[in-house]
Amino acid sequence: DTGVSQDPRHKITKRGQNVTFRCDPISEHNRLYWYRQTLGQGPEFLTYFQNEAQLEKSRLLSDRFSAERPKGSFSTLEIQRTEQGDSAMYLCASSLTPYYEQYFGPGTRLTVT
Amino acid sequence: AQSVTQPDIHITVSEGASLELRCNYSYGATPYLFWYVQSPGQGLQLLLKYFSGDTLVQGIKGFEAEFKRSQSSFNLRKPSVQWSDTAEYFCALGGSQGNLIFGKGTKLSVKP
Repeated sequence: DTGVSQDPRHKITKRGQNVTFRCDPISEHNRLYWYRQTLGQGPEFLTYFQNEAQLEKSRLLSDRFSAERPKGSFSTLEIQRTEQGDSAMYLCASSLTPYYEQYFGPGTRLTVT
Repeated sequence: AQSVTQPDIHITVSEGASLELRCNYSYGATPYLFWYVQSPGQGLQLLLKYFSGDTLVQGIKGFEAEFKRSQSSFNLRKPSVQWSDTAEYFCALGGSQGNLIFGKGTKLSVKP
């Protein structure tokens, strides 16, 4: 069990650029979640997958955001035309149904200049 | 609506003192409740969880939490804190969408 990994750990980009983050869940976990955490706040849910199916999307996930989980393994989160308000820590977590506890990766810190 | 409130933004305690971090939730059914800890630059680590049964749950690192339905609370406790417990602590509620709903967190500073 190597835990949840995320890449990159830090990303600095200019406003208007596209960025993509990757998450590798714990290998046997079939659920994968994305959260966003801004300064002074707890993580906020963005979306989750069960295997390769995206089952829920938060209202926070604007049209500029897209997530995929091909083949039910790793996942990518893409943000198009980044805005300064997208600056945050993006956290990935995974779990194994029917268990509810989620295990988090170290996060990707995005800074939009 | 489902929500979690952590009333204390920042708490400072001396090493060796006891600790209680407060958490209140709003949810109509039996909740699934969690406490996570986040050290600087780190991801969230699960400390303990409550699903059902015994209302006093034990976790890692000597932490425990008590579920009180009548008070809609799930407070985290530790009898004697260590300097290494300095971190931010988040209470979370299992949401109906399969997600976790987090409180805003409590920053704990432990004075040596």
